[in-house]
Amino acid sequence: ETGVTQSPTHLIKTRGQQVTLRCSSQSGHNTVSWYQQALGQGPQFIFQYYREEENGRGNFPPRFSGLQFPNYSSELNVNALELDDSALYLCASSKSVTMNYGYTFGSGTRLTVV
Amino acid sequence: AQSVTQPDIHITVSEGASLELRCNYSYGATPYLFWYVQSPGQGLQLLLKYFSGDTLVQGIKGFEAEFKRSQSSFNLRKPSVHWSDAAEYFCAVGLDYGGSQGNLIFGKGTKLSVKP
Repeated sequence: ETGVTQSPTHLIKTRGQQVTLRCSSQSGHNTVSWYQQALGQGPQFIFQYYREEENGRGNFPPRFSGLQFPNYSSELNVNALELDDSALYLCASSKSVTMNYGYTFGSGTRLTVV
Repeated sequence: AQSVTQPDIHITVSEGASLELRCNYSYGATPYLFWYVQSPGQGLQLLLKYFSGDTLVQGIKGFEAEFKRSQSSFNLRKPSVHWSDAAEYFCAVGLDYGGSQGNLIFGKGTKLSVKP
């Protein structure tokens, strides 16, 4: 079975621009979460999508938004990029909206904002 | 507020020696608990998880962890470390209610170095 794949792997953007990151969930998984991992820190929860709707959100401003598609793939959109948005963005998928099955993480997208 | 503390930022052990990585959490109810490992530039790989039942949990790569409710701890152990275990290890608590569904709260991680 394929795991979680994210694209692109690396990205450089200018402050104020917008960016879209993509995630294909593992086969059989219907729930997708996004995390931001700053250098030297643990990942921080951005939001979770289930049945194409956001059903959980962390402490991130509205300029962080997302989508989930009928095939369970997902996008993370960030508007008005700030220098502090530079981080590794991780996508995680799960078989269920509950936590019993744990989460499978992708390798991430490294975003650099200059 | 819920939180996860990993007191050791960096640990160095000799190959073949035993390992224990500490994790303490703050959470009102019985938590979902996870240990993940991250190699440089990579995503997170699940080592093991605890939800209920036997408090000693076996994971992949020879790792185990013990849930101790009285100490709010979930320490990760391995009896004999291999050079390939060098990586960063993250403990996480899972929140699964209301608007926080899907929220894993991670500690800041412990970097493990292995001496030959």
